[in-house]
Parts: sequence; structure tokens; C-alpha cells
Amino acid sequence: NAGVTQTPKFQVLKTGQSMTLQCAQDMNHNSMYWYRQDPGMGLRLIYYSASEGTTDKGEVPNGYNVSRLNKREFSLRLESAAPSQTSVYFCASPGQNLRGYTFGSGTRLTVV
Amino acid sequence: GDSVTQMEGPVTLSEEAFLTINCTYTATGYPSLFWYVQYPGEGLQLLLKATKADDKGSNKGFEATYRKETTSFHLEKGSVQVSDSAVYFCALGSGQGAQKLVFGQGTRLTINP
Repeated sequence: NAGVTQTPKFQVLKTGQSMTLQCAQDMNHNSMYWYRQDPGMGLRLIYYSASEGTTDKGEVPNGYNVSRLNKREFSLRLESAAPSQTSVYFCASPGQNLRGYTFGSGTRLTVV
Repeated sequence: GDSVTQMEGPVTLSEEAFLTINCTYTATGYPSLFWYVQYPGEGLQLLLKATKADDKGSNKGFEATYRKETTSFHLEKGSVQVSDSAVYFCALGSGQGAQKLVFGQGTRLTINP
């Protein structure tokens, strides 16, 4: 089925550990996004990629890095995890003019 | 910058009740407006959208009208069901080129049988 696939679904990290969240889309869309979801705050944009080879900061980029590996894949890396990064992370990919904006099922990350 | 404000939750209703979830926005230009729904343990799904003033988006019995004069996009449903229990997010699409979504804080809706 066409869509956005995220891995892993769950992860527990210790403070200071690093990890990479993977995202892939099979819809041939140019742009991809990483959001985090926190209670009472909706979703906030971390980073986005308008096209293969480009990335830009969103609203809350500190503590994260991203890589747009190819048109399909957009990864999010936490170099040194902090408890404040405990959240649910969503990858998304919209089509032209936000048609078919599709979200992955999310990664629930806990940093202890 | 652009922002979205939703009514505070949680909202609890009985089955077949009328639902309104308020949403207002602040934006430059003419954004597109969206309602997304998130069922437990899942990602967000597009529920409906409107791309210009006075447009009405509708889906699964839900409706919302893009009101430019009041900068609002309230979600309504005439008769809710238990299966409508979820978190609802209002959002606007902003930015040039790679359009980014700005979300409200979400409203948790619980429908009791």
C-alpha cells in the first residue's frame, strides 16, 4: 500500500545515547517532514526537506539533524538524547498543494 | 507567525449529540485549512480541507466552512458515534513551495454510548 513507513515504532534511550529514526515514502513526493507531538502542544515541525538534496529547519530543530538520503528516505537523528526529547515523532509527506498529505504511524520515543 | 487555536478539550458527548469543535487561525495571505483526526495509537489522517474562503470541506458526516471574515474553520457533525472518539487537529498550510502545516493543540473527543 502506498504511504509513509516509519521505524522503529517504539524506542527507549538513556540520556546521551544517539539514534536515527527512519522514514520512507513510496508516493514519489518531493517534500518530506518530521514533526514531534507533545501533549497539549499539537504537532511541531522539526525539519523538512522540500526536495531531494535540500533540508531546512522548522520550528524546533535544536538537538536534531536530518538526512534526505534520496527521494524516498528522510531520516531524523538525535546525536545526544535528552529527556526533553521524549515525544511521539511523525514523518509526513504531502503532494502538490498539500494534496494527499500522509503521515506515518509514529515513533514513540522515551529518554530516561 | 502563523498560528492555530482550538477549543480546549477534552470534550465528552453522548452518542447522537451535535458536535462543534472551534478553530480560529492567524495567518498572512490565504492559507489552506485542514482538519486531521488521530485514532488511538495511529498517525494523523486527513479528515477534510478547504482551500479558499467560503469553501466547505466535508467527509464522514463532518463539515467545516472556511470563514475568512472571522478567521475560523469550526468542525461540526450533526450526530456523533462512539467510533468518532479520537483527537482532532485543526491545521493551516503555510509557506511557499514546500508548504508546511501549522497545527492547533488538538482536541480529544470521547463519545459515550
